[in-house]
Formats: sequence, C-alpha cells, structure tokens
Amino acid sequence: SYVLTQPPSVSAAPGQTATFTCGGDNIESKSVNWYQQKAGQAPVLVVYNSRDRPSGIPERFSGSKSGNTATLTLTRVEAGDEAAYLCQVWDSGYEHRWVFGGGTRLTVL
Amino acid sequence: QVQLHQSGPGLVRPSQTLSLTCVISGDSVSNTDTAWNWFRQSPSRGLEWLGRTFFRSKWYDDYEVSVRSRITISPDTSRNQFSLHLKSVTPEDAAVYFCASGSTMNDHWGQGTLVTVSS
Repeated sequence: SYVLTQPPSVSAAPGQTATFTCGGDNIESKSVNWYQQKAGQAPVLVVYNSRDRPSGIPERFSGSKSGNTATLTLTRVEAGDEAAYLCQVWDSGYEHRWVFGGGTRLTVL
Repeated sequence: QVQLHQSGPGLVRPSQTLSLTCVISGDSVSNTDTAWNWFRQSPSRGLEWLGRTFFRSKWYDDYEVSVRSRITISPDTSRNQFSLHLKSVTPEDAAVYFCASGSTMNDHWGQGTLVTVSS
C-alpha cells in the first residue's frame, strides 16, 4: 500500500518561512492535498491538487512537488499557524483509498 | 456554504455496533460531483479513511480494506444525511470520528465525535 512520510516536527519564528515535506513513491504523478489541523479541531484544507488554494486560504500557503517529495510552504509564519500539517493522496492502486501522512507539527518560536 | 454536523453516541460497548450520522446542509447527499466520507483519528493510527458513499446515476460505496468486513456507509436521501455503522467494535476502534465531503479533496468536515469503546 502507498505510504506518505512526513517529519514529525518543524519550528519557525514569527515572520519566517516554514517548510513541510511529504515523501511518497513517485508522488510527482499524484494530486496532493494538504490540511492544517489545530488541537481538538477537524482538519482544514489549505492546498488541493498539489498547488491550488481554496477560497479563504491566505496566499502565504503554497504547494509544490518534485520527484518523490511534495512540499507545503508557509511564509510569514504567525503564532496562529501553530498546528499539525498533513498531506493526503488518493491511492488508486489495488486498494482504492485515501492515504495520509503522519503529520508535521509546527511550533512557532 | 456546506456544513456537516455529526451525531451519535460517544460510548460503545465492546462487540457492539458503532453508529454515527452526518447531516448535510448546503449540499445534497445525491450530488453527483462529490463523495461522502468517514475518517477516524487516533494517536496510534493517525488519520485514517474508513470509506465513502457517492451517487453517480446509482449509489456506490467503497471501504478501507482493514474494516471492510465490519463497515457500512449509507445515504439517507429523505433526511439529506449519511451514516456510518461499524460492527463488532474493539478497543482498537476508539478514536475521533469525522465525516467529510469531497471526491478529489475533502473540503468540508464535521466537528468530530470522540468514541470510546468500553464496557
């Protein structure tokens, strides 16, 4: 089955840039979604189709991918951005299923 | 604006059936452009997709392999909602359960239901 790998934690100071990576076999060929999940809340979609933003999501969030890695970049980090960030793809192999990475927790210093 | 509201018990006895409902507002469960999903999240398993139902001239469903023998996700068009039934639960099924809409992404989520499995 398809596996997505994310580092467990990232930290950034306010105003700096945080980068979240999501590793998966040939992920460049897949559509990647990214979610922000604050403690005790449901996930919120911040990037879909690898690089598109839903309405209402700030331009500070951007997505990209290359080879076996998808990346979510968050510029001008704010205290309110502290959350877990999860990547997601649809595994269209033998087992059709949504697959998530383990999530990366952002600590704002 | 689409909103999903979950309801159902937070405590289920071992070997019994977990049943949750997700009421949809701002969209139709019969919308042919979307799917209606259930997920769960626990510290040990992370965020996990359980299955979905969707309408494309007829109703379809598909499920995560690990729960396929125990799960049913079904629409209720008269009430514009969909439900999750997971039978024969064990403590491993304890988690926060979420409903969510979307086919190529999950853009609307319910508020989450913490389910405890205990006698």
